[in-house]
This record gives sequence, structure tokens and C-alpha cells, in this order.
Amino acid sequence: QSALTQPASVSGSPGQSITISCTGTSSDVGGYNYVSWYHQHPGKAPKLMIYEVSNRPSGVSNRFSGSKSGNTASLTISGLQAEDEADYYCSSYTSGSTLLVFGGGTKLTVL
Amino acid sequence: EVQLVQSGAEVKKPGESLKISCKGSGYSFTSYWVAWVRQMPGKGLEWMGIIDPGDSDTRYSPSFQGQVTISADKSISTAYLQWSSLKASDTAMYYCASMGRGSYGMDVWGQGTTVTVSS
Repeated sequence: QSALTQPASVSGSPGQSITISCTGTSSDVGGYNYVSWYHQHPGKAPKLMIYEVSNRPSGVSNRFSGSKSGNTASLTISGLQAEDEADYYCSSYTSGSTLLVFGGGTKLTVL
Repeated sequence: EVQLVQSGAEVKKPGESLKISCKGSGYSFTSYWVAWVRQMPGKGLEWMGIIDPGDSDTRYSPSFQGQVTISADKSISTAYLQWSSLKASDTAMYYCASMGRGSYGMDVWGQGTTVTVSS
């Protein structure tokens, strides 16, 4: 069981917007602005898409945006494209000895 | 180009030891932490631990504490993940990644090392 809860799957049609949630507690997501999002295509290494809740690394499309409300962080992808189909993972800093936790991952299907 | 290059795939027997590596290039290796992440076949990402290559300060996920050892040699910009006695359940893909100090985002990833443990 992952420390952060994500939906197992989401889907959307090209051009639409989708949102993936990531729910934790006040000890991780809710307590710190250190939520990151990654996507991973099959057989590939993960890629950082969002860090510190809402910041995009250089080179990441502005179709990707992040936000947080309480203990839940969200990743929104607008203008969905076929290449967005991948697994998406959130992570958060957490207090205590663990330091970092991942969500269980969400499979995004572009219909 | 900033990159992390990991050592090649390994096939081992239960009980054997193993050390895999992750070499950084194109950036100041000691300016970023190095994290290790496990991905078992068909499963999600699991954070294993992190090392500061500058002083070798290490933190482990409780799930991996005592099961693996993370180390680094800053003179050759290389981090390591090692096992003293492998189990079949260690079969997985292992990724290293650089983590920005204070951001906790892993921005550069190695290509992954597949470890297969089978008798």
C-alpha cells in the first residue's frame, strides 16, 4: 500500500483536459510544498514533469500544471495528446525518517 | 549534457552479493543528492534512499533500511547500491536519479539497471 493515494486509471480524448489527484496527509502533501509529478512511458525511465507543487522544469510543456489543496495535490493536463498516454506518479517530502513517498501511480489512457 | 549512466543488467543467484553503479556527468556531482528508486515488474515506483555525494550522508526508506547499502565516491562522480545477500524478491528495475537540494524533485534519471535474482 502506497503512502500517497492516486486513482488507478484515468482517461480522456485528444484535446480534452484531465486531472490526476494525489492524496496524502498533513505529514506529507498537506504539510509541505514539495510535491513532484513524474510520467513514465513503458520501458522508459520516469521523467520529472512538476516539482514543488506547481513548477515546471525547463522543456516541459505548459499543458502540464500542478496545484494543491489541503492534503490533495493535483496534476492537470490540458489539450490531451496521444503521447501523454503513460503512467503518472506523484511524490512528496514527508516528515520523519522516510523523507520521501510515492503514490501508487495512475495509468492515463488517451482514447 | 547532464546525465546519469547506470551499470548493466545483472543476473544473480539467491544469497549472492551485488553492487550496481550510477555515474554522473555534465554537472557538479556533489551539488545534488542521488536517490535510488525500485520498480518491481509491473509495479509502481518505490523510494529506497538517498545520499549526499559530498559527505556521504545517507537516508533510507524504512522499507529498505538494513536491506541495501547506498554509497558514493565523489572522486569519480559515482553512486552505488549494494546487497550483501540477494533474494528472489529483489528482482526489479533500479533507477538512480539526481534530486535537487531542497526541492525533492528528481530531475535527471539514469536509464535503469535490471536485477534478476533466480536460482
